[in-house]
Amino acid sequence: KQEVTQIPAALSVPEGENLVLNCSFTDSAIYNLQWFRQDPGKGLTSLLLIQSSQREQTSGRLNASLDKSSGRSTLYIAASQPGDSATYLCAVRRRSGGGADGLTFGKGTHLIIQP
Amino acid sequence: GAGVSQSPRYKVAKRGQDVALRCDPISGHVSLFWYQQALGQGPEFLTYFQNEAQLDKSGLPSDRFFAERPEGSVSTLKIQRTQQEDSAVYLCASSLEGPPGNTIYFGEGSWLTVV
Repeated sequence: KQEVTQIPAALSVPEGENLVLNCSFTDSAIYNLQWFRQDPGKGLTSLLLIQSSQREQTSGRLNASLDKSSGRSTLYIAASQPGDSATYLCAVRRRSGGGADGLTFGKGTHLIIQP
Repeated sequence: GAGVSQSPRYKVAKRGQDVALRCDPISGHVSLFWYQQALGQGPEFLTYFQNEAQLDKSGLPSDRFFAERPEGSVSTLKIQRTQQEDSAVYLCASSLEGPPGNTIYFGEGSWLTVV
């Protein structure tokens, strides 16, 4: 059974710092990995999607890397801002021989950027 | 519509009551997913539809949970004889095509509290 772990569970840093969020997964047979952001009382907003054949994806101040063989991904946030405060969730989409391919999520990293 | 729409946003149910949660996916999206998110946890997969076909219901926690998507667009998640442990956010998500590669878009969730 696929398990996804995110470290740290919570992080509080001053505005302007660069930071790294970590995600690890136990089964490397994945189609892709997706990073989401969740604000309190809201649904999930997709940030970056990395296909299994890719090594990284970038969007603005965000960069996500994927090392499928070691079961790891990182989300790098450059020049953090208070508006980046949210919970960041990592999810992997499994390969399967048939049927559905749901996402398996980690528990998230709760990020606070101090003004 | 512009995004995934869920209703009701908030529902308080008495223990033993039946509830129905509705999801309107993005127009034209083939795949539809339901997830359950308990407080402080990542979302857990419940079930998956490709058009009107329910291809995977392995995540439904008990036979009190039932989902349908009869015309391949709107979906309803029904919970019979609700119990306190059913209290959670129920998230609906959709993607343009079937697995595996596309970005999944989430609604803002239906917050269920069973008292």
